[in-house]
Amino acid sequence: QSVLTQPPSVSAAPGQKVTISCSGSSSNIGNNYVSWYQQFPGTAPKLLIYDNNKRPSGIPERFSGSKSGTSATLGITGLQTGDEADYYCGTWDSSLSAGVFGGGTKLTVL
Amino acid sequence: EVQLVESGGDLLQPGGSLRLSCAASGFTLSGYSMNWVRQAPGKGLEWLSYISGSSSSIYYADSVKGRFTVSRDNAKNSLYLQMNSLRAEDTAVYYCARGGIVAGTFPYWGQGTLVTVSS
Repeated sequence: QSVLTQPPSVSAAPGQKVTISCSGSSSNIGNNYVSWYQQFPGTAPKLLIYDNNKRPSGIPERFSGSKSGTSATLGITGLQTGDEADYYCGTWDSSLSAGVFGGGTKLTVL
Repeated sequence: EVQLVESGGDLLQPGGSLRLSCAASGFTLSGYSMNWVRQAPGKGLEWLSYISGSSSSIYYADSVKGRFTVSRDNAKNSLYLQMNSLRAEDTAVYYCARGGIVAGTFPYWGQGTLVTVSS
């Protein structure tokens, strides 16, 4: 059971927009920055979004992040088949003194 | 270019011990916190441990507290994870990840090393 809650799967058609939610509590998302990671099968996770809504160099503007209260959201516009991957949210939990991740969301681009 | 290369993964029996290493290059290791994260087959990411640049702050997930020990040798540009009393549920790919400015952010990851615990 993950500390952060994500939907197991989402899907949308190419060119469309999808959002992935990440729900936590005041001890993690509520008082810490959220990051998002993309992972393709057999490869290491890759940072997509950090500090709730910032994109590292090289990450397309199609990827965006937001946070409100104890929830965060990853948005992907202009979906491409190459976006099919697992997506994870992560943050620090101040009560646990531990890093925490969501259970992951599998994105299918139909 | 930041590079993290894990090594030491192996197949071993329950109750055994193993030491993983993570070789860092392309940056000054002492300037950054480091983390270990694992992923069991077909499962999600699980954060395991954090160590600050000077080793002054160390944290563990409850699942490995008392069994795993993180350490680093900045002079050798290396991070380590000593794993004792291994269980079948410790079977996973183990990643080292450089910490970001903000705790709980992992900008760079290694390719991972597989640890299999089975009798």
